[in-house]
Amino acid sequence: DAGVIQSPRHEVTEMGQEVTLRCKPISGHNSLFWYRQTMMRGLELLIYFNNNVPIDDSGMPEDRFSAKMPNASFSTLKIQPSEPRDSAVYFCASSLTGQFTEAFFGQGTRLTVV
Amino acid sequence: AQSVTQLDSQVPVFEEAPVELRCNYSSSVSVYLFWYVQYPNQGLQLLLKYLSGSTLVKGINGFEAEFNKSQTSFHLRKPSVHISDTAEYFCAVSDYGSQGNLIFGKGTKLSVKP
Repeated sequence: DAGVIQSPRHEVTEMGQEVTLRCKPISGHNSLFWYRQTMMRGLELLIYFNNNVPIDDSGMPEDRFSAKMPNASFSTLKIQPSEPRDSAVYFCASSLTGQFTEAFFGQGTRLTVV
Repeated sequence: AQSVTQLDSQVPVFEEAPVELRCNYSSSVSVYLFWYVQYPNQGLQLLLKYLSGSTLVKGINGFEAEFNKSQTSFHLRKPSVHISDTAEYFCAVSDYGSQGNLIFGKGTKLSVKP
């Protein structure tokens, strides 16, 4: 398996624009997590899904952020409208619930909002 | 609520010296504990994990960690570090019922000098 795949690796956008980050989890994994990493706040859990259903979105900063998981092999994190303070590295991770081992992380998407 | 405290934000050390990276957690329930490593511009990679059993856990790259329930600690150690160990290290906790949701510490940057 190729691991967790995120796209794009880098995104530069202007304030006010919509940004969509994409994630393909490891095949067979049934939990998916979105994290945000910044110098100030470290790694923060934004939302996680189990069997494509959002379980906890309490980490989503505000209504400008939304996440979907339409099927077991794809998830998106959308920011609309984007703001400079959204600049960060966004990580997607997946794991196999019920036989808990660990979460496997993608390479991340570095988002810069100017 | 769970939380993880990594007491040192930066640890400089000379090559071949021993190192200990400290981690304390706060949880009212039984937990799983993890150490992840992040090399520059990469995602997080699992170093080791404690799920149950022996409190001394051995991981990749010669690292080990000891779970101490009474002190709620999970410190990471390596007897002799290499330049290639320079990276950021994250301690994480997950409780038994959380479906794999990891709560991370702020990270410790390990700098190994020749």
